[in-house]
This record gives sequence, C-alpha cells and structure tokens, in this order.
Amino acid sequence: RKEVEQDPGPFNVPEGATVAFNCTYSNSASQSFFWYRQDCRKEPKLLMSVYSSGNEDGRFTAQLNRASQYISLLIRDSKLSDSATYLCVVTDTGRRALTFGSGTRLQVQP
Amino acid sequence: GAVVSQHPSRVICKSGTSVKIECRSLDFQATTMFWYRQFPKQSLMLMATSNEGSKATYEQGVEKDKFLINHASLTLSTLTVTSAHPEDSSFYICSAMTGNMNTEAFFGQGTRLTVV
Repeated sequence: RKEVEQDPGPFNVPEGATVAFNCTYSNSASQSFFWYRQDCRKEPKLLMSVYSSGNEDGRFTAQLNRASQYISLLIRDSKLSDSATYLCVVTDTGRRALTFGSGTRLQVQP
Repeated sequence: GAVVSQHPSRVICKSGTSVKIECRSLDFQATTMFWYRQFPKQSLMLMATSNEGSKATYEQGVEKDKFLINHASLTLSTLTVTSAHPEDSSFYICSAMTGNMNTEAFFGQGTRLTVV
C-alpha cells in the first residue's frame, strides 16, 4: 500500500465549479500535512499547509481528519489557472523529507 | 520567499557518462537538502537526504555508488549520476528546508535528464 494515496483523476470541471480532492495516508505517525501544486514539467510549489482545525485561503479550503487519516482540498469558483496537478504531502515525526502522493490532475475548462 | 536554484534545467548525455546536478540555496543556509526523482505521471520519490558535512542518507533501493551526493557547504549540494543508463532518464528535483519540520520546503526548478 502506498504511503500517500490520491485519485489520479483527471478531474475535468468547468470554470466556476467547485471541486474536491481527497487523500489518505497510511502512517499514523505523520505529523505535518500539505497540499502542493505542480504544473507540467515544473517543480512543486506549496499551496497550503493543512491543520486539524481546517484552514482556508481564499478559494481554497483544506481539512485534516487524523482519526481517518484523511486530507481534503476544496477549490471553489475554479479558474482556468487552477489547472495543474495537486499533490498531497505528509511528513512524519523526526523525518524532514516529504512523502508525496502521486497527485490529482485538475483541468478547468472554459 | 527563500529560493533554491538547480542547474542545469535540462541535460542530454550518452550512456556511460556522468552528469552532475547542482542545488543551491540562494538566500538561506540549508543544513539538509533532499533529492527526489519523478518519472512521468508518477509522484516524487525521495532518493536521498543530503547532510552538510556528513554522508548522505539513501532511501532503500537507491544505489549510493551510482548517485553520488556531496553537500560540502551550507548552500550547495550536488548529485552526480554516474555511468548513466537510459533508465536513469527522469526529472530530478532538490529541495531544502529552513527551520523546523513545519517550515515550507523550497524546491529547485528540477533537472530533466535524458540518457541516450
């Protein structure tokens, strides 16, 4: 079983739609959680950290459920520029390297 | 924000040759840098953790004699792919963190290696 699992997609949505991505992780010792965005053939860039209390940044909302070992990302009012691959990322206690999911591809269409 | 510079961005080499990839932290000191590899449509896989002034820690299945890592200063880590084979063709990305574990990781621009 992969350490971090994501639905690869692609998710094809129209502009203005709301879309949600889910991610599960297998290591209960995981400590920190993030969503990264990766454009084609580019390096990943941090979208947002994910906290147990949930957090929102503009059109983006992230949620963490430690009991279910589940992370989500909600994008409201999708823009064409949101088209990218969204990577679910975790780290565990004492290990500073990131463990990446394989990513969920989003294509926002006009 | 902090910047990590990776060079070269793209390289084509012949089988059997060696390729060196540099990763520099431009405006901060990075005691630890990480090297990842990403095959098409797959996730980034950690290859090794590079520690300044000491030996790198390699992930299971990654040959340390093939992927040589040197972290001689607080701002520079290098990855050398030795005796490259076509199956080494991949996207290699370095990253560095500042501060504690919850600090954002900064990534280099990546190096696309093609071995012919």
